[in-house]
Amino acid sequence: DTAVSQTPKYLVTQMGNDKSIKCEQNLGHDTMYWYKQDSKKFLKIMFSYNNKELIINETVPNRFSPKSPDKAHLNLHINSLELGDSAVYFCASSQQGEKLFFGSGTQLSVL
Amino acid sequence: DQQVKQNSPSLSVQEGRISILNCDYTNSMFDYFLWYKKYPAEGPTFLISISSIKDKNEDGRFTVFLNKSAKHLSLHIVPSQPGDSAVYFCAASASGAGSYQLTFGKGTKLSVIP
Repeated sequence: DTAVSQTPKYLVTQMGNDKSIKCEQNLGHDTMYWYKQDSKKFLKIMFSYNNKELIINETVPNRFSPKSPDKAHLNLHINSLELGDSAVYFCASSQQGEKLFFGSGTQLSVL
Repeated sequence: DQQVKQNSPSLSVQEGRISILNCDYTNSMFDYFLWYKKYPAEGPTFLISISSIKDKNEDGRFTVFLNKSAKHLSLHIVPSQPGDSAVYFCAASASGAGSYQLTFGKGTKLSVIP
């Protein structure tokens, strides 16, 4: 019954690999997000989709590509992973700009 | 450029006492403020919010105070309970942006000692 679920919870991979993180929400929300929490613990927005349309795209390398097949899903694909990509990635959703509901996070470690 | 600052990385409080978590912001366009609570290995969960038209909002043991002239807000937890031990994030957004564009602070780790 998890409202916002993301998989995998942990992801360990080598530099240069391509990986994906999946996110699904069952709250019926129109908007979904990807946030990154880096080593300094800041939570920073990466992308936001509203009804499958990209509305926020912060300064993120184009190796990161979000994909929203429908408004309940927002996946994050990362190409050519680098050491600096190691972080915790959180998916979130909201209804019409209201409060965010977060997933439990994906800890990405790039070796 | 930190637009939302939580200058205390950690705070320890005895059970039953008041916990006061502080947050400062620099962007005068911010007019909606939220507090999120995060346990280890979980995502942040919404706790309480306040609009700039108010200076106080209360929800049970949690009260948020907003001082617009000082660009400062605080979260009061009374009485503190061991289950309140978590990281608390302050967040802010500008009018119309809502949670589309939330700016978060670094968080304050609260430890409530039984």
